[in-house]
Amino acid sequence: NAGVTQTPKFQVLKTGQSMTLQCAQDMNHEYMSWYRQDPGMGLRLIHYSVGAGITDQGEVPNGYNVSRSTTEDFPLRLLSAAPSQTSVYFCASSYSGIGEGQPQHFGDGTRLSIL
Amino acid sequence: DQQVKQNSPSLSVQEGRISILNCDYTNSMFDYFLWYKKYPAEGPTFLISISSIKDKNEDGRFTVFLNKSAKHLSLHIVPSQPGDSAVYFCAASEGGSEKLVFGKGMKLTVNP
Repeated sequence: NAGVTQTPKFQVLKTGQSMTLQCAQDMNHEYMSWYRQDPGMGLRLIHYSVGAGITDQGEVPNGYNVSRSTTEDFPLRLLSAAPSQTSVYFCASSYSGIGEGQPQHFGDGTRLSIL
Repeated sequence: DQQVKQNSPSLSVQEGRISILNCDYTNSMFDYFLWYKKYPAEGPTFLISISSIKDKNEDGRFTVFLNKSAKHLSLHIVPSQPGDSAVYFCAASEGGSEKLVFGKGMKLTVNP
C-alpha cells in the first residue's frame, strides 16, 4: 500500500534550471495538492486539483505550474528555479475535496535546494 | 496576515502528564479544523479534526476543543507518551473552499 509517493526525495538545482517534482497516489483520490514548508512558516498551499483536468492556485503559486492529466499523478513544475524556491515540498491527496474537512494523506516530501 | 496562529513554538512535558497544544484563528468563516502530526523527514499525518458545529471531539488519548467565540482551539493529549514527540500543526478551512490554511507548528517533546 504505497499511498502518496513523491520523487525525487532530494534535489539540488542551479538558478534558472527547470525541474518537475513527481507525485503519484494509488488510492483513487480525487483531490491532490502541493505545499511548501519553509523554516518557521508552516505549510503553504501552492496549487491544488479537485479532479483530472482541473487545477487551481493556492496561496503561493508564482513560479510553479501544475497539470492533472490522470487521477493518479499531479506533477509540480519549476520553470526557472530561484533560490527563494529552496524548500521542502509536500504532495497530499484526499478522497474528495477538503471543503468538508476531509483529511489529506501526505507524501514524505522532496527536499529541494537551489544554488 | 496569518489566519491560523500557533504562538508557542515548543512544549516539553513529562511522560504520563497532559499535553495541551493551542491554536488561534482570525477568520470567522473557518468551518473545519484539523490537527496533523509530523515526524522529522516524514510527511504530516492526520490526527483529529472538528467541525464548527461541535465544541469537542475525542479519539482515544486525543481530544480537540473548539471555542468559536474566542476563535481558539486546543489539542489535549492524555496521557502523553514519548512517541508523541513531534511537530503538531493546526489547520483550518472554510466550508466549500478547497484551501487548507496551516499554522506554523509546535514542537512537542515528551520526556520519559
